[in-house]
Amino acid sequence: EAGVAQSPRYKIIEKRQSVAFWCNPISGHATLYWYQQILGQGPKLLIQFQNNGVVDDSQLPKDRFSAERLKGVDSTLKIQPAKLEDSAVYLCASSLVGGTQYFGPGTRLTVL
Amino acid sequence: QKEVEQNSGPLSVPEGAIASLNCTYSDRVSQSFFWYRQYSGKSPELIMSIYSNGDKEDGRFTAQLNKASQYVSLLIRDSQPSDSATYLCAVRGAGGTSYGKLTFGQGTILTVHP
Repeated sequence: EAGVAQSPRYKIIEKRQSVAFWCNPISGHATLYWYQQILGQGPKLLIQFQNNGVVDDSQLPKDRFSAERLKGVDSTLKIQPAKLEDSAVYLCASSLVGGTQYFGPGTRLTVL
Repeated sequence: QKEVEQNSGPLSVPEGAIASLNCTYSDRVSQSFFWYRQYSGKSPELIMSIYSNGDKEDGRFTAQLNKASQYVSLLIRDSQPSDSATYLCAVRGAGGTSYGKLTFGQGTILTVHP
């Protein structure tokens, strides 16, 4: 069974630029999560989708971050404009409803 | 107070020893608890889950949960150099908008030296 796919794996941008990350969950997983993991810290949930609806986006900085999951499968996370403190690994995870979360390989973002 | 707090580490143990990793959580109604292992530059990988008070064993790993004390731990017996990684404690919310949401601790770096 294929795992969670993410792209790109690495991205370097300058501050104030925009960037987008893509995630394809495990087939059949209705729930999709985006986490931000800053170096030396545990992952922090940014947004949780169930199918194409948002369940929790309480920790998403909505002035610069946006995410969508239009057809209930793939998802994109966008940052516009990026700040230095956005440098982190962005992890996508998916699960069956209430099930174990499986993580993708992550996208390492460096903002210069 | 942090929602999920782990012993700060780093933790260094000799090969063959028992490694003990600890975690406390603040939300008393939490029902599900997880230990993830994260190798450097890799994504978290689930190694143990525990839902009831007491011990749960899986091979060299034992998870222990005490809901009254809001404490969960992971013991690794016969530690191997390949166990060297960051161990993340995660707690899942009980219901409502928290259902499914994992809150992670900051992680404990474990090094097993030969």
